[in-house]
Amino acid sequence: GAGVSQTPSNKVTEKGKYVELRCDPISGHTALYWYRQSLGQGPEFLIYFQGTGAADDSGLPNDRFFAVRPEGSVSTLKIQRTERGDSAVYLCASSLMGLAGGGTGELFFGEGSRLTVL
Amino acid sequence: QKEVEQDPGPLSVPEGAIVSLNCTYSNSAFQYFMWYRQYSRKGPELLMYTYSSGNKEDGRFTAQVDKSSKYISLFIRDSQPSDSATYLCAMSAQGGSEKLVFGKGTKLTVNP
Repeated sequence: GAGVSQTPSNKVTEKGKYVELRCDPISGHTALYWYRQSLGQGPEFLIYFQGTGAADDSGLPNDRFFAVRPEGSVSTLKIQRTERGDSAVYLCASSLMGLAGGGTGELFFGEGSRLTVL
Repeated sequence: QKEVEQDPGPLSVPEGAIVSLNCTYSNSAFQYFMWYRQYSRKGPELLMYTYSSGNKEDGRFTAQVDKSSKYISLFIRDSQPSDSATYLCAMSAQGGSEKLVFGKGTKLTVNP
């Protein structure tokens, strides 16, 4: 597809369960980002990939959160032992090269995965 | 104090009005300033991008950055009902930081 694709669009799970959220970026975009948006708040940075490596994971809230991008394209955000406070929309974005590569800060966002932890 | 402050509104204006949205920030390292628009249940999309201080105009939209006051603004002229959305300011520091820091967003409704 032409845009960033995220699956699932909605996920309801029980406290303590494991969740995986998938992001398929725009083809050719080397930079990939995960953000989390709670109700009434702006997106909050979680992690940034340049290619296959996590270049900045300073936004991951704790060790229950982990993300991978093994082939430099699709990324998966993994949340272990989910808690009610993890409920939010998880947004994935990609950009052609990122700010460091001379980009303009234009991130192309997907529609997000809405996670509800009961 | 949060790094980026933005009044969440909501803001309601009649069609054709001039809309002024703004953010303040505390981190003097911010050099890249952006405005994103987010429709309900959609991802944000970039409206305007400015590097350092100054003004930038694009159609009905004007972005201003005043680094001395740590204050940025977005003006929308001749507002339309299709402009109804949440407007998010976002900033990033110099030096290749990829982390965008967003404001809370201001929810705007333009009434026909």
